Amino acid sequence: AQRVTQPEKLLSVFKGAPVELKCNYSYSGSPELFWYVQYSRQRLQLLLRHISRESIKGFTADLNKGETSFHLKKPFAQEEDSAMYYCALSGLNTDKLIFGTGTRLQVFP
Amino acid sequence: GAVVSQHPSWVICKSGTSVKIECRSLDFQATTMFWYRQFPKQSLMLMATSNEGSKATYEQGVEKDKFLINHASLTLSTLTVTSAHPEDSSFYICSARDGSPASTYEQYFGPGTRLTVT
Repeated sequence: AQRVTQPEKLLSVFKGAPVELKCNYSYSGSPELFWYVQYSRQRLQLLLRHISRESIKGFTADLNKGETSFHLKKPFAQEEDSAMYYCALSGLNTDKLIFGTGTRLQVFP
Repeated sequence: GAVVSQHPSWVICKSGTSVKIECRSLDFQATTMFWYRQFPKQSLMLMATSNEGSKATYEQGVEKDKFLINHASLTLSTLTVTSAHPEDSSFYICSARDGSPASTYEQYFGPGTRLTVT
């Protein structure tokens, strides 16, 4: 079954602390993995995708096919990183996105 | 950047009535649009994929006669919730994919429409 699991509903850290938002997936084949972010009262927007292999706003995510994980990391969290983060996947030949349940990141000053 | 709008942002209707939600791509042509539903504190669940000029493809468990989708142009898709009931109350979100050759095929999300059925 195709599934995205985000085990943490809430992650609270202090400013400057490292952050890791966990994402595991289940998919038969080679999926494309994404992280989406939703800031307070804003729409969902793409943060990064694994094929781009880039760092956005200091966040990085590495696809680990052996562990079927795509954890999102940032070495030093900022208050403005506080938001809802969704991990998602799509298949190679489809645009359909399967979302995880999301993790709310709270960064305290 | 690419912008997707939804109208209305919030609607209350009586049980048994129908409600239409519009999703527009404002500065790009969207050959494909997607409709999601989100319950409180839950994830987005894909309801259907809407392709311009053809019938929508519904996900398993989604009633196509209840959730009518029309994608009549490259910039507009509509979702009509027919004979709405309180259990249809939810947050409905659309996304649109820029189908131009120069695009990254990224999905751009609308701000969502909150439907409350009384």
